[in-house]
Amino acid sequence: DTAVSQTPKYLVTQMGNDKSIKCEQNLGHDTMYWYKQDSKKFLKIMFSYNNKELIINETVPNRFSPKSPDKAHLNLHINSLELGDSAVYFCASSQGEAGGWETQYFGPGTRLLVL
Amino acid sequence: GQNIDQPTEMTATEGAIVQINCTYQTSGFNGLFWYQQHAGEAPTFLSYNVLDGLEEKGRFSSFLSRSKGYSYLLLKELQMKDSASYLCAVVDSNYQLIWGAGTKLIIKP
Repeated sequence: DTAVSQTPKYLVTQMGNDKSIKCEQNLGHDTMYWYKQDSKKFLKIMFSYNNKELIINETVPNRFSPKSPDKAHLNLHINSLELGDSAVYFCASSQGEAGGWETQYFGPGTRLLVL
Repeated sequence: GQNIDQPTEMTATEGAIVQINCTYQTSGFNGLFWYQQHAGEAPTFLSYNVLDGLEEKGRFSSFLSRSKGYSYLLLKELQMKDSASYLCAVVDSNYQLIWGAGTKLIIKP
């Protein structure tokens, strides 16, 4: 049973397109996250959601918007894709409400390539 | 600003011991994580330290000194499968997780 799953695993698209990445966790966790890992392998937090409320919103472009239909899902929608958006995007989840200090469980990642 | 420093890359021999260091300057401290990430895969949890001292878990141990802003991950009896990146992450006073850039560990036969 997959704890944190993401779809698609690979996404190749053209500049200017709009795309979504889906994430689901079956761990019953309260908090979910989106990370961007660039070519230098540095993990950067983008968003986290706790009980359907945004509690972290780092300085990411407003072309990126998280959408959480329920506690088990946190989808990432990206408008007007740019070349610099090419990266691996990881979804993660953790128990508790604090959002940062619980062990995080990561999804397998979505490899986005913008041409 | 907040900063976490780790060596970019280390090389060790199969069967040996390696120590990966992490130093941090953050606004407050509420714990330090070590994660392992194999190439092309997601990070996975290794350890969590919030008090000073050494935590041992099988072949892996993690040490913390809060006064020095310093931690290390010690890997014993290295195996080829230990080749991976090791990420240090600190929880700051706002309970936000600050990630280091990771140390790529290469194991040679």
